[in-house]
Amino acid sequence: SQTIHQWPATLVQPVGSPLSLECTVEGTSNPNLYWYRQAAGRGLQLLFYSVGIGQISSEVPQNLSASRPQDRQFILSSKKLLLSDSGFYLCAWSVGPNTEAFFGQGTRLTVV
Amino acid sequence: ELKVEQNPLFLSMQEGKNYTIYCNYSTTSDRLYWYRQDPGKSLESLFVLLSNGAVKQEGRLMASLDTKARLSTLHITAAVHDLSATYFCAVDKYNDMRFGAGTRLTVKP
Repeated sequence: SQTIHQWPATLVQPVGSPLSLECTVEGTSNPNLYWYRQAAGRGLQLLFYSVGIGQISSEVPQNLSASRPQDRQFILSSKKLLLSDSGFYLCAWSVGPNTEAFFGQGTRLTVV
Repeated sequence: ELKVEQNPLFLSMQEGKNYTIYCNYSTTSDRLYWYRQDPGKSLESLFVLLSNGAVKQEGRLMASLDTKARLSTLHITAAVHDLSATYFCAVDKYNDMRFGAGTRLTVKP
C-alpha cells in the first residue's frame, strides 16, 4: 500500500533562517506531488505541484521554492523565512491528474 | 482561474439535526472530492465523485455532484458530535487541485 511521510511535524524557526521540509511517498511510482499551506483557521493554498522529477509548477510568488530530486521525494525550501511563512504545510500525492489526493500528516511551522 | 467556493464557512448544529454544505466551482470538471480535517490534523479523504449525478454515502454523510450546475453538496443526517470537524471540497483541473475555504462544523449536544 502507498504511504506518505512528511517531517518534521513541528518546527519553530527564527525570521531570516532557512527552511527545508521533506516529503516522501512509498508504494507508487511517478506520483503527482503537491505542497499546500494552510494559515490558521483558513483554507488550503496550493504552493507547488510536480508531475515528475525536476518538473515543478509554482502557483504563487513567494520566497519559497520546491524541488523534486527523486521520483518520490518532494522538498520545500526557503533561504530566508518571513513571519508570514508561518502555517501548516501539507504534502500530498496523487496517481495523476483528476485523481484523489492523499495527504501527509503536515508540518506546523512557526516563524518567530 | 479555477475557483471553489463553499458555504457556509461556519456551521453550528445540534445533535440529531440535518444540514447541507454547498460547494460551487468555476470551471468544468467531472471530479470533485470531499475531505475532512480534525483540529491540528491533516486531511482525510471522504468521497470521490467521478461523474455527473454521482452520489456517495457513508454513515451520516452523503455527497452528490451536479456537473452541469457545477455544484456539489455534502448532506449531514442526524448529526452526532463525532462529525465536528472542518470539511473541504476540492476540484482538480490539469494537476491543479483547488480547495474551498472549508466549512467548520460544530455539533452540539
